[in-house]
Amino acid sequence: GAVVSQHPSWVICKSGTSVKIECRSLDFQATTMFWYRQFPKQSLMLMATSNEGSKATYEQGVEKDKFLINHASLTLSTLTVTSAHPEDSSFYICSARGPLGIYEQYFGPGTRLTVT
Amino acid sequence: AQRVTQPEKLLSVFKGAPVELKCNYSYSGSPELFWYVQYSRQRLQLLLRHISRESIKGFTADLNKGETSFHLKKPFAQEEDSAMYYCALSGSKAAGNKLTFGGGTRVLVKP
Repeated sequence: GAVVSQHPSWVICKSGTSVKIECRSLDFQATTMFWYRQFPKQSLMLMATSNEGSKATYEQGVEKDKFLINHASLTLSTLTVTSAHPEDSSFYICSARGPLGIYEQYFGPGTRLTVT
Repeated sequence: AQRVTQPEKLLSVFKGAPVELKCNYSYSGSPELFWYVQYSRQRLQLLLRHISRESIKGFTADLNKGETSFHLKKPFAQEEDSAMYYCALSGSKAAGNKLTFGGGTRVLVKP
């Protein structure tokens, strides 16, 4: 149980376009989901905390208008990278707070975004 | 502010040898510490958490509040332990229970 999926697993887009990444909790309801960014050979950096039915809370230095987060249901959160540029190329990972307790986070497999 | 430091980027050990991954943290409150593991081409998964005081796959970790450390240890490393290991700290509920990750340590267990 407690599986988190992401779609797509990889995407290539042209500079200036927008890309939407989905994060789903498949077998549990997740009131809170988190979005991370991971550069090659580096650790995960938290971008934002997404709470169902409310606005996301962004970490310092993360542009809200650049990375739009929507958490419209208890099983789905989306991250939209708007007007993507090559420097946005990265590995984006989501996690969902599981049903067993407030500290447990289950991670998705990640989405590789390449902006050309 | 919460901060997690993993001083070693790479640990290379032979099969059967002990392995210890260092983790130090900085947090003003009472932290919750975790170790996550990422095997090749797999997603991040929880290895163990300090509040459980459990041993998973032979790994143990003890929270030392005096030294603000949460080192991960295994007495006899196996080849399947080769992976990326991340130490993580969860802050207060008021702070959203956010996870802060260390830089990660790559473990390579040689036959």
